Amino acid sequence: AQTVTQSQPEMSVQEAETVTLSCTYDTSENNYYLFWYKQPPSRQMILVIRQEAYKQQNATENRFSVNFQKAAKSFSLKISDSQLGDTAMYFCAFIAPINNDMRFGAGTRLTVKP
Amino acid sequence: DSGVTQTPKHLITATGQRVTLRCSPRSGDLSVYWYQQSLDQGLQFLIQYYNGEERAKGNILERFSAQQFPDLHSELNLSSLELGDSALYFCASSVGSRTGGGRAGELFFGEGSRLTVL
Repeated sequence: AQTVTQSQPEMSVQEAETVTLSCTYDTSENNYYLFWYKQPPSRQMILVIRQEAYKQQNATENRFSVNFQKAAKSFSLKISDSQLGDTAMYFCAFIAPINNDMRFGAGTRLTVKP
Repeated sequence: DSGVTQTPKHLITATGQRVTLRCSPRSGDLSVYWYQQSLDQGLQFLIQYYNGEERAKGNILERFSAQQFPDLHSELNLSSLELGDSALYFCASSVGSRTGGGRAGELFFGEGSRLTVL
């Protein structure tokens, strides 16, 4: 079974600074997808960024980028130029097409300070 | 707007009661997932359906059951409710392709149904 681990329960960063959230996972599958979801105080789940395991190039979405290390089974999220609106819970998630069973990490609560 | 609709948005009930949560997936999505999120906790996977059939089961209690209907909407039934069942219940949908590709794997979440058991 797949497991996803986020070892940082809480983090904080100053506005305009850069922060990196960590995620590791465990799987025996070779084909899978990794995601970062954001959950602001409204509790809505919002997709931040997506990475296909077969792609070596790290995904980027504006101020959000990932560092995907397949051999190490690591998938960290870097937020550049942090904004107050980035304050939220961030969940790392894994899914393998073979079973389409998406599993989430426990989450990291990020606070952006003015 | 993710295109996934969940009803009701809020529900308050008493211990021992039974409730049904409903989810309408995005148009064209065949796969529906149910997750439970207790206060300040992560998302616990409950169950997944694909085109009417159960595909994966997580930590779903025996008091809970779900199904996906021919029109692809899904219902999560929670019975003999306990205080600890108070949580936000999310439904999510995806294309559900086994072959991957495109936006494969991406889940689109509803706004959740907040259940309070008193």
